[in-house]
Amino acid sequence: GQQVMQIPQYQHVQEGEDFTTYCNSSTTLSNIQWYKQRPGGHPVFLIQLVKSGEVKKQKRLTFQFGEAKKNSSLHITATQTTDVGTYFCAGPASGGSNYKLTFGKGTLLTVNP
Amino acid sequence: SAVISQKPSRDICQRGTSLTIQCQVDSQVTMMFWYRQQPGQSLTLIATANQGSEATYESGFVIDKFPISRPNLTFSTLTVSNMSPEDSSIYLCSVVTSGAKNIQYFGAGTRLSVL
Repeated sequence: GQQVMQIPQYQHVQEGEDFTTYCNSSTTLSNIQWYKQRPGGHPVFLIQLVKSGEVKKQKRLTFQFGEAKKNSSLHITATQTTDVGTYFCAGPASGGSNYKLTFGKGTLLTVNP
Repeated sequence: SAVISQKPSRDICQRGTSLTIQCQVDSQVTMMFWYRQQPGQSLTLIATANQGSEATYESGFVIDKFPISRPNLTFSTLTVSNMSPEDSSIYLCSVVTSGAKNIQYFGAGTRLSVL
């Protein structure tokens, strides 16, 4: 079945350092989404990418969708302690409702102040 | 987006009992889902809650263990039946609003511990 793989599983950085998490799908995706889950919280939608090669920015966050629409990345510039949390990518689940999502395992980011 | 109220927020239950979790949305939504999240793990889809009909369960989840109701377009319940310690987890409901292009909005979750 469809797999969405995410690396790294954990990343610890010093405040001010950059951070990147990578997402790879075993199948071509019509779109990819990113969610953030703070410790003790619930997943919160960040962004959706639809077009091949698309790049979107939200302040210090840069999201990229690969040309083949099978991979994506999230880059945070100059991390802050407020960036702490787990970042999940998610793509439409194959074979069925377009509304279902398959989530990656997530990357847990911790930031040392 | 949508405002989602999920309750209870947490509970501690005895083995063999059942717990019903409620998910209330402030507007009619297209889709409602129920997930399970083990501590430090990703989200696993339990089922899609279908309005007025039986839920659609994912592989590994069955109706007898996780009965789901969705009587209307704004409300759903998930029951965790005959609980065992292995059911200790976070349970989350999520919704897709109309025109939202499969973006999901999550409730705050129910943290369940089974003793």
